[in-house]
Order: sequence, then structure tokens, then C-alpha cells
Amino acid sequence: DAGVIQSPRHEVTEMGQEVTLRCKPISGHDYLFWYRQTMMRGLELLIYFNNNVPIDDSGMPEDRFSAKMPNASFSTLKIQPSEPRDSAVYFCASSLDKTGNSPLHFGNGTRLTVT
Amino acid sequence: ILNVEQSPQSLHVQEGDSTNFTCSFPSSNFYALHWYRWETAKSPEALFVMTLNGDEKKKGRISATLNTKEGYSYLYIKGSQPEDSATYLCAFPGSARQLTFGSGTQLTVLP
Repeated sequence: DAGVIQSPRHEVTEMGQEVTLRCKPISGHDYLFWYRQTMMRGLELLIYFNNNVPIDDSGMPEDRFSAKMPNASFSTLKIQPSEPRDSAVYFCASSLDKTGNSPLHFGNGTRLTVT
Repeated sequence: ILNVEQSPQSLHVQEGDSTNFTCSFPSSNFYALHWYRWETAKSPEALFVMTLNGDEKKKGRISATLNTKEGYSYLYIKGSQPEDSATYLCAFPGSARQLTFGSGTQLTVLP
């Protein structure tokens, strides 16, 4: 298995532009999570999906952020319009279930820089 | 908001030394405790998922213990090597089973 695949690895964009981050979870994993890593807040959960359905988006910072999962093998996190304070590393992770017994498998992350 | 605390925040040890660090979590409604290893420029990688009080898990030179009644887990590294240098995260699933991560212990093993 190739693991969780994220693209792009790096994204540099100007303030106000739309940014789309992509994720392919491990096949057979029913749960997909989007995390953001910053120096100030560490790893924070933005949103998670179960069987392609968004379950909890309370971690999404504001309306500029949206996430979709149109099918079991693909998810996107979109920021529109982007702002410099959105600069961070965004991780996608998947797991077999959400019961807490299954470890998360993380992608390599997307380092976003908004200038 | 769950309080998952790790100590120390950072640690420098000499190659060959053994070391340990702590994760504390709410002792009520315990479900599981995760440990992850996060090397610089890589992504977090699961080490252990622990579910039973008194559990002890081992992976090579790394082991972990769990005390659910008092709400703590220890991670031990025996005979540290430079390749063990990483940030070690613990994570605790709350009632909704979403993982809350601690801020991590950054370990540097000096050759």
C-alpha cells in the first residue's frame, strides 16, 4: 500500500488566491482527517469524514475553509481567499475506524506559504 | 477541551543513554492512548496504541507503559541512538473518539 498520499508537497501563493490541497487515503480506511500543524497550536484537527460524510468540522477556523470528500479515495481542503496566517503544514490522515483503537496513518503533508 | 500534557518539552541525551518521558491525560472515561514518533520533515508515525491499564508495549528499543487510573503513560528509549531524534507525541481520544494530541517531547540524541 502506498500509504496516504497528499499533493502538492509545497504550495506558495499570494494572499487572496484560492488554494486546494488534495488527499488520497489508504484504501479501506473509513475515516479521513485533516490536521493543521503550527508552531503556536501544534497539531489541530480541522475536520473529519466517515464514509465520505463530514462528521465534525468544528475545528475549521472560518468560512474561508471548506473540505469535501466526493468518494472514498479522494478529499480536498480548500482555502478561499487565502491569508498569510493560513501558512502552516496541512496533514491528511486516515484510519480504519474512529474508535480510538486504530492508529492514524498520516500523509507527508502540504507546506502552505501564503505571502 | 481535553488536557493532554507531555513533559519534558525537549530533551537532549548522549548516544547510549536511556531516557523516558511522560504523557498525562484525563483518567476518567479512558478509551485508548496513542504514541507517535515524528521525525523532522516527515509525518507522524504510529508507535503504539494502548488500551488496557497496566499495558506495556515494546518495539525494538522503545517501550511504553500505561496507567489509566492515574492518567499517565511513560515512553522509554533504551540505549538512545542519533536516529531516535524526533518529536514524540501522545494522543488521547475524547468521548467523540477524536484524537487530541499533546504538544510533544522533542528528543535530540547527541553522538
